Amino acid sequence: QVQVQESGPGLVKPAQTLSLTCTVSGGSLSSSNFYCNWIRQPAGKGLEWIGRIYTSGSTNYNPSLKSRVTISVDTSKNQFSLKLSSVTAADTAVYYCAKETTIYYGSGSYYNDDAFDIWGQGTMVTVSS
Amino acid sequence: QSVLPQPPSASGTPGQRVSISCSGSSSNIGSNTVNWYQQLPGTAPKLLIFSTNQRPSGVPDRFSGSRSGTSASLAISGLQSEDEADYYCAAWDDGLKGWVFGGGTKLTVL
Repeated sequence: QVQVQESGPGLVKPAQTLSLTCTVSGGSLSSSNFYCNWIRQPAGKGLEWIGRIYTSGSTNYNPSLKSRVTISVDTSKNQFSLKLSSVTAADTAVYYCAKETTIYYGSGSYYNDDAFDIWGQGTMVTVSS
Repeated sequence: QSVLPQPPSASGTPGQRVSISCSGSSSNIGSNTVNWYQQLPGTAPKLLIFSTNQRPSGVPDRFSGSRSGTSASLAISGLQSEDEADYYCAAWDDGLKGWVFGGGTKLTVL
């Protein structure tokens, strides 16, 4: 069973770059085909999609964050990474990585659809001097 | 302001049926399926409903999803105390070329 786990500094100074890693266990990225998504949640608030990367490297980003976000994959380390530049206090949040899986269902598994079925536990990042 | 407005709160007593709405547009719910996530206090979200009305293995059939036009709903029947959580809808947005979430609904079991 694939699992994902976020890691990285819990404190980042304003104007610096936030860097997080999502480590995948239970499967090799070299032989996998799925999207890894980054999602964040400020304290007491809702979920915000940051962006995603396919194991082959293609990306999609939230237009509101696109100018500051870079998501990459390192198949040799079985890791995905998130970089968010020029951070401010508004970027303080719990950051999650989530595996986007194509789920097959119905008679003969004829139908399929995508959803975030595996989530990391999340990592809290505070932006403060 | 969330792309997919949801009521901020909902409540019910044990055994009741409650429904949570999620409003969208033609670029998201109107043209793509909807997923629902349950977030228990202090934990990561968990997939509850995918493809608008499908339950992952292990999710009780008390939970059901539906869609009408550009809106979606999550219904919970036979409400239990352990259902007290935040619920989020999500859909792919063709215009934004990304996933969008609802603002979340906090369900209280009275």
